[in-house]
Order: sequence, then C-alpha cells, then structure tokens
Amino acid sequence: AQKITQTQPGMFVQEKEAVTLDCTYDTSDPSYGLFWYKQPSSGEMIFLIYQGSYDQQNATEGRYSLNFQKARKSANLVISASQLGDSAMYFCAIDSWGKLQFGAGTQVVVTP
Amino acid sequence: SAVISQKPSRDICQRGTSLTIQCQVDSQVTMMFWYRQQPGQSLTLIATANQGSEATYESGFVIDKFPISRPNLTFSTLTVSNLSPEDSSIYLCSVGPEGQGYEQYFGPGTRLTVT
Repeated sequence: AQKITQTQPGMFVQEKEAVTLDCTYDTSDPSYGLFWYKQPSSGEMIFLIYQGSYDQQNATEGRYSLNFQKARKSANLVISASQLGDSAMYFCAIDSWGKLQFGAGTQVVVTP
Repeated sequence: SAVISQKPSRDICQRGTSLTIQCQVDSQVTMMFWYRQQPGQSLTLIATANQGSEATYESGFVIDKFPISRPNLTFSTLTVSNLSPEDSSIYLCSVGPEGQGYEQYFGPGTRLTVT
C-alpha cells in the first residue's frame, strides 16, 4: 500500500518570497512517480511538476522545483518568487499503474 | 497535453435521483480515471475505466452506486445513483499516461450538490 503525507495544512507567504511545501511518501514499488498539482478555488486540478523515482536530477518547471530525496522518501515542492495567483491548494500525489493517491493538501495564501 | 472537458460543470440534484457526468478527451487514451473530492477533502479514486472492459472499482466504491461506461477511447461517463447529501462533491475525470509519457491531466470537474 502507498501513503502520501502532507503535514502542513496551511501556509502564508509574502509575495516574491519562496515557499517550500512538504511531502513524504511510503511505497513498496521499486518504480514510481511523484506529482504536484495546484487546485485554485475554481476546483480544477492543474499539473505542476513530475519526478520519476529513477530520475537523477531534481525536476524543475519554471518557478516550480522539486527537492527529491529518495532515501528520505520526500518530494518537497519549492515555489520561487511567489505571486498572488499562487494562492491555492497544493496536492502531492504518488502514481501506481496510472492511479494517483493524493496527500491531504496544503493551503497556500500569498499576501501582498 | 490532452484537453479534457466535463459536462455538466455543476448541478443541484434532489435526493434519490441520479446524475450522469460526461468526460470527453480530445485524443485517444487508454486509461481514464474517475475521482471524487468531498468538501474540504483530498481526491479519492473511484474507479479506472479502460475501453472494452469493465471498470475497476476501488475499495469502498461499487458499481451499483457509480456505474461507469467507456464506449470508446475518447469518452466516458460516470453516473452517481440514488443521490444522498453525502454525495455532494466535486467529481473529476483524468487520463493516464500514454506510451513513455508520465503526464496525467484532469478535467475541470463537476460540482454536485444534493439537496
């Protein structure tokens, strides 16, 4: 069985600052993928970034980067230079044969 | 990336009725998934819908309550039957990775309120 843990229910961050969202996981699969999604108040799920378990380098996508520490089973999301539009719920998820298991999410509020 | 649409975007239904949600993808995909997000909660997988086979349901979800159709590689429907207020949720379809890819994209969701 797989498990995803997001321990931060909510965070405030000032505009232009960086924020790190924590995600730890547990899986017995030798190969897996880790995803981060953003969910604004509209409810849509926006794909942000992906990290494969065998990827040697940490994934980056624009202002999003993933701090992947395989031995610690953590996949923290870093958002640099926060913008007001980054205010949303952020979910970490782990993939098993295409099926995603999600963490509880972290609510991020960006303040001016 | 796949473009996914869902109908309806939202609905208010009476207890005891049913709602059928449609999911349309702009390209052929092998795997489609249906998720439920109850208010203030995370997403939970309901079932996997592959074309040409019966849907596979996760623990806690049954076909009588959530019948799913997958008539072709671009379309699927989820019906939520015998509605109760506890079914008030956002229902989202997603498509799985194709080939060597890893992308998994979601539709915009259907917001269901049961009165």
